[in-house]
Amino acid sequence: SQQGEEDPQALSIQEGENATMNCSYKTSINNLQWYRQNSGRGLVHLILIRSNEREKHSGRLRVTLDTSKKSSSLLITASRAADTASYFCATPSSGGSYIPTFGRGTSLIVHP
Amino acid sequence: DAMVIQNPRYQVTQFGKPVTLSCSQTLNHNVMYWYQQKSSQAPKLLFHYYDKDFNNEADTPDNFQSRRPNTSFCFLDIRSPGLGDAAMYLCATSRESGLGNEQFFGPGTRLTVL
Repeated sequence: SQQGEEDPQALSIQEGENATMNCSYKTSINNLQWYRQNSGRGLVHLILIRSNEREKHSGRLRVTLDTSKKSSSLLITASRAADTASYFCATPSSGGSYIPTFGRGTSLIVHP
Repeated sequence: DAMVIQNPRYQVTQFGKPVTLSCSQTLNHNVMYWYQQKSSQAPKLLFHYYDKDFNNEADTPDNFQSRRPNTSFCFLDIRSPGLGDAAMYLCATSRESGLGNEQFFGPGTRLTVL
């Protein structure tokens, strides 16, 4: 079953702008991950945030986690054309805490 | 560089003709996963190996089988491909301690069924 749902499904911005994507999930989790997928390629891990963390940074990426609202957000600051990709959140499935379940993703297009 | 390798990158097969996709890893990870991803959809887990233990998802068709002869290699066998099996197949690995860790993905194999 699909655990996380990303919002919006598609996002189109200009280079230099910030991009924010959200992920909502249904059941309690011990971690949440974000991945990026360039067209026709495999997924690349971006950030893992644990349930006892509220915010995490990695370069131009900022991830927040609100366990009370069962939601997470991914912020990409000062976006570049190379950030054009699909972004997925992944949460543990009910079958085991180490097995991630992916949402449908947000398709981000950054116009140069 | 340590990595996850999938071969071939593109595979064309005929309806009903068995096909095998391969995945290898140099990361020495204990868990290997196979996902199916159709256009604009989420990757869907088919099965995974935790060490030598095979774990099949409940809704994975019997048409899909997997083998893991050793830590480094994992194969996906599709016994009788149908048109609906055309998709991207992604292999992933992780080093698991039960707390959740990042997955490392291969570049995928795009399967076309004629």
